[in-house]
Amino acid sequence: QSALTQPASVSGSPGQSITISCTGTSSDVGGYNSVSWYQQHPGRAPKLMISDVSNRPSGVSNRFSGSKSDNTASLTISGLQAEDEADYYCSSYTSTNTRVFGTGTKVTVL
Amino acid sequence: EVQLLESGGGWVQPGGSLRLSCAASGFTFSSYAMSWVRQAPGKGLEWVSAISGSGANTYYTDSVKGRFSISRDNSKNTLYLQMSSLRAEDTAIFYCAKMAGGFRSGPYSFDYWGLGTLVTVSS
Repeated sequence: QSALTQPASVSGSPGQSITISCTGTSSDVGGYNSVSWYQQHPGRAPKLMISDVSNRPSGVSNRFSGSKSDNTASLTISGLQAEDEADYYCSSYTSTNTRVFGTGTKVTVL
Repeated sequence: EVQLLESGGGWVQPGGSLRLSCAASGFTFSSYAMSWVRQAPGKGLEWVSAISGSGANTYYTDSVKGRFSISRDNSKNTLYLQMSSLRAEDTAIFYCAKMAGGFRSGPYSFDYWGLGTLVTVSS
């Protein structure tokens, strides 16, 4: 199972919006509404930000939103803040009853 | 409050074995699937294995099949990962993660994570 493809880095200025893509295949991202997104600060454990494509867990800022079209899912961060600087990973269920993570994206706030 | 506390990591020589544990609290342990996710130094997240709430069903990524074995003791609220025939490429922080639902059904996310335990495989 190959990792889902994410851009290595995305950057934006405070207050701007950025979007991170997560591209897979019809056997994972495109086949199920199962994409979730995780934020990881250096030296910390990952934190769930979006579940099942677009559901935001309690306590997660509404500046984070998710969507999916065909084999590509997206995470949008609006009103970018300094605290959003972190690594972000997508994940999906797969047709072989496994899970797969994305390659990861480093978000930099300029 | 959900808490997951991993233990059992350490240094081991190639070909050796190690057993990781994850003590869970703050939720009905037997009602949720659980997973192990690892992260090699400076690298991304990699799903390793999962187990259903009852323990009847287990799942593995191809690279650990036949070498790793996941299990759980619902009476002790503890998840395990028995690792054998360890290789240098298994060096990573291993995270225990609670699944929001079943492994094959939604919600599909890992909603709580432990702090991780470091496994180093080196001669």
